[in-house]
Amino acid sequence: DAGVIQSPRHEVTEMGQEVTLRCKPISGHDYLFWYRQTMMRGLELLIYFNNNVPIDDSGMPEDRFSAKMPNASFSTLKIQPSEPRDSAVYFCASRSQEGSGNTIYFGEGSWLTVV
Amino acid sequence: KNQVEQSPQSLIILEGKNCTLQCNYTVSPFSNLRWYKQDTGRGPVSLTIMTFSENTKSNGRYTATLDADTKQSSLHITASQLSDSASYICVVSPNYGGATNKLIFGTGTLLAVQP
Repeated sequence: DAGVIQSPRHEVTEMGQEVTLRCKPISGHDYLFWYRQTMMRGLELLIYFNNNVPIDDSGMPEDRFSAKMPNASFSTLKIQPSEPRDSAVYFCASRSQEGSGNTIYFGEGSWLTVV
Repeated sequence: KNQVEQSPQSLIILEGKNCTLQCNYTVSPFSNLRWYKQDTGRGPVSLTIMTFSENTKSNGRYTATLDADTKQSSLHITASQLSDSASYICVVSPNYGGATNKLIFGTGTLLAVQP
């Protein structure tokens, strides 16, 4: 399996621009997670989906952030408008339904810099 | 507030030596405790997962221990290699109110193995 695939790997954008991050989870996985990692706060859960349905978005910082999962093999995280404080690494992760202890597999991350 | 604290923040050891990383948590009740390895510029990769009833779990040269009474876990690395240089993150999964999927991450221990 190719693992969790994220794109773009790196993005530099100007403040105010729209940013769209993309994720393809591992085939057959029922859960998809979006995390943000910064030096100050470490890894934080933004939102997660189960069977394409958003379950908990309490970690989404504000209305500028939105996430969708139109089908089992694709999800997007959108920031509009972007701000410099959004600069971080955004990880997508997935796991299967069976058992709460199952391994969560992370993608390689999307490194976002907002200038 | 549920927290996961790790120590030391950083560690330098010589190749071939052993080391032990510590994790203290206040999450209660919890479902499982995980250790992840994160290489620079990459996504976290799972090393071990332990339920609250398990005391130890090994993965090659990595051995994790868990004391649920004292709410402490450790990750022991045997015969370190240069490739062990990475950040090691302790992660706890709560077991209450649908929070099982809302993992709580420590800020990690940055390990540098020198030749």
